[in-house]
Amino acid sequence: QVQLQESGPGLVKPSQTLSLSCSVSGGSINSGGYYWSWIRQHPGKGLESIAYMYYTGSTHYNPSLQSRISISLDPSKNQFSLKLTSVTAADTAVYYCARAEGVMVPGAIHDWGQGTLVTVSS
Amino acid sequence: EIVLTQSPATLSVSPGERATLSCRASQSVSNNLAWYQQKPGQAPRLLIYGASTRATGIPARFSGSGSGTEFSLTISSLQSEDFALYFCQQYNDWWTFGQGTKVEIK
Repeated sequence: QVQLQESGPGLVKPSQTLSLSCSVSGGSINSGGYYWSWIRQHPGKGLESIAYMYYTGSTHYNPSLQSRISISLDPSKNQFSLKLTSVTAADTAVYYCARAEGVMVPGAIHDWGQGTLVTVSS
Repeated sequence: EIVLTQSPATLSVSPGERATLSCRASQSVSNNLAWYQQKPGQAPRLLIYGASTRATGIPARFSGSGSGTEFSLTISSLQSEDFALYFCQQYNDWWTFGQGTKVEIK
């Protein structure tokens, strides 16, 4: 059973870069059949997809965030990461890392991290 | 972007009763639709994918149906642990989520 765990600062100042990592255990991020992704949930709101990545390097970013985000895999640590630049209060949310099944395209999200709250405030 | 509209926003149901939640897509997503359950302070949990396939470990009282633009999630006999927030998600074109339906105790 794969497990995912987010890590990173819980507080980020406006205009700075939010950096989060997701440690994966019970499965390799370097194997096919899965998409590694980031999803966020604003307080009391619904879910918003941020980005996903296949082990080949193929990525897909939320068009509304595309200019500010990047996602990367680190097979040596079995981790993947998210960077979101120029943050504002609107980026305050719980950030989830997750794994979706799929080969050509990602399907449903079978596995989720517990989520980490990131607050943007000075 | 494909917009998913869930109804109702809140559903009040007594334990043991049947609950039916709806999800409508702004354009066809074929059967590329999933349902998730989320409890306060927890991550979402996958219930249904492919519109009607139960995920591993999900009880048979949860069932999904529909295709194209109209989908539903039915909980045949609500248990105390089923009172939660439910989201639908389409993965036919990028990923988008519905705004959620809260199932509360009547």
